[in-house]
Amino acid sequence: GAVVSQHPSRVICKSGTSVKIECRSLDFQATTMFWYRQFPKQSLMLMATSNEGSKATYEQGVEKDKFLINHASLTLSTLTVTSAHPEDSSFYICSARDRVEGEAFFGQGTRLTVV
Amino acid sequence: AQSVTQLGSHVSVSEGALVLLRCNYSSSVPPYLFWYVQYPNQGLQLLLKYTSAATLVKGINGFEAEFKKSETSFHLTKPSAHMSDAAEYFCAVTTAGNKLTFGGGTRVLVKP
Repeated sequence: GAVVSQHPSRVICKSGTSVKIECRSLDFQATTMFWYRQFPKQSLMLMATSNEGSKATYEQGVEKDKFLINHASLTLSTLTVTSAHPEDSSFYICSARDRVEGEAFFGQGTRLTVV
Repeated sequence: AQSVTQLGSHVSVSEGALVLLRCNYSSSVPPYLFWYVQYPNQGLQLLLKYTSAATLVKGINGFEAEFKKSETSFHLTKPSAHMSDAAEYFCAVTTAGNKLTFGGGTRVLVKP
């Protein structure tokens, strides 16, 4: 199956700093990528949908200035958590939709811990 | 609008016993349905998908699911549980061009 690479898998940062998470589709082109947040023992919560070359669409309640999303190419989307606080600590997962088949593939997730 | 309900947040089965995970969906148009598995601190792996072809779908690791339109269900089964099946399972629904909507997840515990 198609591979989506998410990096880093784990990151620890200090409060007030920014963290960038990368999501790459390795063997297919993804016109649409999705960013999810998952709290412990809960389901995935969609944060935003990004389309290549255009602004991301954020779900209700998600601060777009806090979670900056860039989808500059058909194979790369980035999520930057700005001025991180402990409450931003979570598991973040990206997903890329295959341009041809329309199926979504998931990255390995990033465990963010803000101290 | 679309939604997914997974009945039972936790399921405990004995090794070798039947695994049954329930999923009911709501969609105003014909849906595409998916089952994903998630191991600790990992992303989601696709088990199987229904995209309007055969109603009985076979997936990886011996799992299968049956789409029943009359019951708006897409339950996941495996005849014989293995210890490696212990994980979190998510049912998801989408329609053409739409985002995935996930159920709340079901954690499977396999007892030896």
